[in-house]
Amino acid sequence: QAVLTQPSSLSASPGASASLTCTLRSGINVGPYLIYWYQQKPGSPPQYLLRYNSDSNKQQGSGVPSRFSGSKDTSANAGILLISGLQSEDEADYYCTVWHSGAWVFGGGTKLTVL
Amino acid sequence: VQLVESGGGLVQPGGSLRLSCAGSGFIFSSQWMSWVRQAPGKGLEWVANIRQDGSDTYYLGSVRGRFTISRDNAANSLYLQMNSLRAEDTAVYYCTRGEGAGDFWGRGTLVTVSS
Repeated sequence: QAVLTQPSSLSASPGASASLTCTLRSGINVGPYLIYWYQQKPGSPPQYLLRYNSDSNKQQGSGVPSRFSGSKDTSANAGILLISGLQSEDEADYYCTVWHSGAWVFGGGTKLTVL
Repeated sequence: VQLVESGGGLVQPGGSLRLSCAGSGFIFSSQWMSWVRQAPGKGLEWVANIRQDGSDTYYLGSVRGRFTISRDNAANSLYLQMNSLRAEDTAVYYCTRGEGAGDFWGRGTLVTVSS
C-alpha cells in the first residue's frame, strides 16, 4: 500500500470549494508530518502552493492566493488542500508530499476538473 | 529565480547520462537542491537531494547505487550522474530548489532510455 493516497480525480463547479485529500497509510500517523502541496498544469512544471503541519506551523507559497489553504483531518489520517472560490484556472493536477523514512514521497495526484 | 536543466537525451539501456542544472537569481549555496522526475503521463517521483554544502545526500531506493547527485556552489550548479540506466528511468527530470521537494522548479529535461 502506498504511503500517500490521493483520489485520482475530483470535479467541482466554479465558485464552489474543493477539498483535496492526502491520506497516510494505515500505521503512519499524520500528526507529526509537514505536508507540502503542488499544482501542475499541462505542459508546465509543478508549482509549490503551501505547506501545512498545524495552524502554528504553516506557510503559503510566494504569490499563492489565500483561497488555497491547508489543514489536517486527524480522524481520517489525512492532509487536506482546500480551494475556495474555484476558478477555471484552478483546473490542474495536485500532488501532496511528505518526508518519510529518508525520502520525499509523493501521492499519486488528483486531477481537479472545474466545470 | 531561474533553474535551467540540460543534458537529457536518448540513451540505450545500461548507458549513462549526466544532467546539469544551472541556478540563478538566488543564493545557490544556501539551498537544499533536489531532482524530481515524471514519467510520461505519470505522477511525480522524487529522485535525490543534497544538502547546501554537499555533506548529505539522499536517494530514492530504486536509483541508489546507480545515480549520484552532486553540486558545485562556486558554479551555482547541480548535477545528476545516471549510470546503468533502465527503461523505467525514462522521464522528465526536474531540478528543484529549497525546502520540501522544492519551492521552485525548473522546466525539466527529458531522458529517454530505449534501444
